[in-house]
Amino acid sequence: AQSVSQHNHHVILSEAASLELGCNYSYGGTVNLFWYVQYPGQHLQLLLKYFSGDPLVKGIKGFEAEFIKSKFSFNLRKPSVQWSDTAEYFCAVISNNAGNMLTFGGGTRLMVKP
Amino acid sequence: ETGVTQSPTHLIKTRGQQVTLRCSSQSGHNTVSWYQQALGQGPQFIFQYYREEENGRGNFPPRFSGLQFPNYSSELNVNALELDDSALYLCASSFLMGALNSPLHFGNGTRLTVT
Repeated sequence: AQSVSQHNHHVILSEAASLELGCNYSYGGTVNLFWYVQYPGQHLQLLLKYFSGDPLVKGIKGFEAEFIKSKFSFNLRKPSVQWSDTAEYFCAVISNNAGNMLTFGGGTRLMVKP
Repeated sequence: ETGVTQSPTHLIKTRGQQVTLRCSSQSGHNTVSWYQQALGQGPQFIFQYYREEENGRGNFPPRFSGLQFPNYSSELNVNALELDDSALYLCASSFLMGALNSPLHFGNGTRLTVT
């Protein structure tokens, strides 16, 4: 079955620590990949997206993600987190093999300690 | 400002009742998708509407139904509510149906509690 897996459910970091959140998917075909962020009490917001081209994509607020096709991965990274990055992060995939269904991972809840 | 508005923000219903949730899409968007987000989980795709027709459906029973109107706004209807239907219901709009490179823009959601 097509699925999106996020390996870490909860992550706790201190400010200035580096962040890497894992995301793997099991789709074939052409995929578009996304990371969404949900800050406490707010709606889901697009953090960054990959459609084609350079597999290293940069998003808002210093986040980046790397698409590694051979590993079916799209990990999210940030060199130095801030307290304001405390939020829940969702990886999502849409595939031309799966119609128009954007499939989300289970999310990773990040807490950054000041 | 998200551009996608949902109403109501919170709702409490009794098991067996019916509920209608509403969504106004972002200006210029013609496709609406609905998601269910249970506590502690990622959003699960319910269905998508494009040009007033259902286009794609996730693993949800027929008692979950929807509508899209000519102005691209949408409703999600759930009949015979069950306790497990308690969740945050998210509406998302996008520009083109089937266009892989059309990110979804989400509303704040409707929190439904079934007692």
